[in-house]
Amino acid sequence: NAGVTQTPKFRVLKTGQSMTLLCAQDMNHEYMYWYRQDPGMGLRLIHYSVGEGTTAKGEVPDGYNVSRLKKQNFLLGLESAAPSQTSVYFCASRTTRQGGSPLHFGNGTRLTVT
Amino acid sequence: AQTVTQSQPEMSVQEAETVTLSCTYDTSENNYYLFWYKQPPSRQMILVIRQEAYKQQNATENRFSVNFQKAAKSFSLKISDSQLGDTAMYFCAFMKHAGEETSGSRLTFGEGTQLTVNP
Repeated sequence: NAGVTQTPKFRVLKTGQSMTLLCAQDMNHEYMYWYRQDPGMGLRLIHYSVGEGTTAKGEVPDGYNVSRLKKQNFLLGLESAAPSQTSVYFCASRTTRQGGSPLHFGNGTRLTVT
Repeated sequence: AQTVTQSQPEMSVQEAETVTLSCTYDTSENNYYLFWYKQPPSRQMILVIRQEAYKQQNATENRFSVNFQKAAKSFSLKISDSQLGDTAMYFCAFMKHAGEETSGSRLTFGEGTQLTVNP
């Protein structure tokens, strides 16, 4: 049981380049999330999904797009990377079968935009 | 919107001693959940403890316990018998109970407290 798997673990981009971060979960969770972590700011929600085919904006969605074509996968895209998007990105999932169930996190992707 | 505040950016404690990390939050909700997550240098986010707001009893998990004061909107984490492996960033987080379909039951995080356990 792998839980939540993120790929890649590290990436360096030049300004203006694009990339996609992949998140996969094998727990049959309904909800999935993308957060970014920056020093002194905790984790901030970028986008989330409450089910296959649905996505919604979080606190800091600008510059990012997401897709959830399959229940187990949640993709985060950067169309034109900017230095302000240098961060650590976390994917998470949770079940709705228990109220207030905790989020399960992947191990993060460290992205540097030069 | 909910906000979570951790007023201690850094703390340190001697091995085997007890330390308390503070967390306050602001919400107009009556039913909600509170969490503490630990992030060691490996970067992994690990659930430490979970509290349901409608339960008055404070949650405990082995050496970890919370002091939940609902009226004061305070949710502190106490670590007893601190161990070197407790060195990590600790995040307090809030989740609304209602409106899951519209809010996705998102977690709102505090800024984090870096705890160092000294030998």
